Amino acid sequence: EAGVVQSPRYKIIEKKQPVAFWCNPISGHNTLYWYRQNLGQGPELLIRYENEEAVDDSQLPKDRFSAERLKGVDSTLKIQPAELGDSAVYLCASSRDSGTETQYFGPGTRLLVL
Amino acid sequence: QKEVEQDPGPLSVPEGAIVSLNCTYSNSVFQYFMWYRQYSRKGPELLMYTYSSGNKEDGRFTAQVDKSSKYISLFIRDSQPSDSATYLCAMSQNSGYALNFGKGTSLLVTP
Repeated sequence: EAGVVQSPRYKIIEKKQPVAFWCNPISGHNTLYWYRQNLGQGPELLIRYENEEAVDDSQLPKDRFSAERLKGVDSTLKIQPAELGDSAVYLCASSRDSGTETQYFGPGTRLLVL
Repeated sequence: QKEVEQDPGPLSVPEGAIVSLNCTYSNSVFQYFMWYRQYSRKGPELLMYTYSSGNKEDGRFTAQVDKSSKYISLFIRDSQPSDSATYLCAMSQNSGYALNFGKGTSLLVTP
C-alpha cells in the first residue's frame, strides 16, 4: 500500500510570496490532516478534513492560510503571503475514518521563507 | 504551559541498554495515547498505541499509561543503533481527533 505522498519536498521562497503544498492521502482514507512542525517541536494541527468537509480548522491562521480538499481525496494547503515565521515542516496525515486512531504521516514539505 | 510536556534530551545510551522515555500531560480529557518515531527528514511513524490506562507490549517496546498521574512512558529493551531517532508522545481526546504532541526526545544509541 502506497503511503501518504506530499510535494514538493522542499521549498524556498522570499517573504510575501505565495506557496502551495499538495497531499495525496492513502487510498480509501477519508480523514486528512495538515500539521505544522516547527524546529525542535512536535507537530501541531492546522486543519482536519472528513471527506470534503473541514471539521476542525480552529488553529488555521485564516488571514493568510487556506486549504481545500476537492472530491474528498487530494488536498492543497496555501499560504499567501508567506512570512518569515512560516518556515517549518508541513506534514500531511491520513486515517481511514474519524473512528480510527492510527494517523499515517507523509514525509512533509520543508518550507524556508527568506 | 503546553498541555503535553516532554524532555527534548538529547539522550545517549550504549547499544543494548534499556531506554526509558516519558511524557506528562495536564488535560484529563485525553484517552488515546501514542508514541511516534521520527527519523531525520521523515514523517512521524506510529510505534505504539494505548487506550486509557495500562500497559502494552510489542517486541522490544513497552508503553505504559498512568492516567491518575497523567504520565506515560515508553521503554525500549535491547536498544539498537537503528533506534536512534526522535520519539514523540501524542495524545487525543477522541479517536481520529487532532493529536497533541510533545516536543519529542532525541535518542542516540551508540554501538
